[in-house]
Amino acid sequence: GNSVTQMEGPVTLSEEAFLTINCTYTATGYPSLFWYVQYPGEGLQLLLKATKADDKGSNKGFEATYRKETTSFHLEKGSVQVSDSAVYFCALTGYGQNFVFGPGTRLSVLP
Amino acid sequence: EAGVAQSPRYKIIEKRQSVAFWCNPISGHATLYWYQQILGQGPKLLIQFQNNGVVDDSQLPKDRFSAERLKGVDSTLKIQPAKLEDSAVYLCASSRGIEKLFFGSGTQLSVL
Repeated sequence: GNSVTQMEGPVTLSEEAFLTINCTYTATGYPSLFWYVQYPGEGLQLLLKATKADDKGSNKGFEATYRKETTSFHLEKGSVQVSDSAVYFCALTGYGQNFVFGPGTRLSVLP
Repeated sequence: EAGVAQSPRYKIIEKRQSVAFWCNPISGHATLYWYQQILGQGPKLLIQFQNNGVVDDSQLPKDRFSAERLKGVDSTLKIQPAKLEDSAVYLCASSRGIEKLFFGSGTQLSVL
């Protein structure tokens, strides 16, 4: 079945540091890939998505590129802020299939 | 637009008791999902409704969990009787299409 693997957290960075959260997937066919974010006390919300190979999703300074050859969708941000502290979930969905979420990576950004 | 509403926000019960959670999706969203999120894990789908019909309930422990979506709008998830391993956050989500889910804040359940 489909599955998503993420780097384990927690990840602790200083403000303005570079962020990478690794995500790899196993899926049949051509899934769509997503990053969801969960801020403290809130529900998950969509951060960005990519629907086909080589697509780059971007939002709020975050980027991720759909790499079919390495089955990866790593999340990056050039300069993190304290307000980026949250749990980040990589997820995928295939045609006619439900979402599969990774275990989440907790990010803490220190001032 | 108003988001997905869930209640209660927190619930503490003893094992073997019953509990119910309520969800009101975003207006116009035909698809409603219930997810279970155990601490340190990603959300796991319990059941998916399309309008008031069940699309997928393959991971719902049907001996103790039940869910309904009367009139194709709000939904209730019930656990009876609860076990210790049911301690988790129960998330409701809704969508118009298949590629963007809108989540509620969840109900945190503690079973003692």
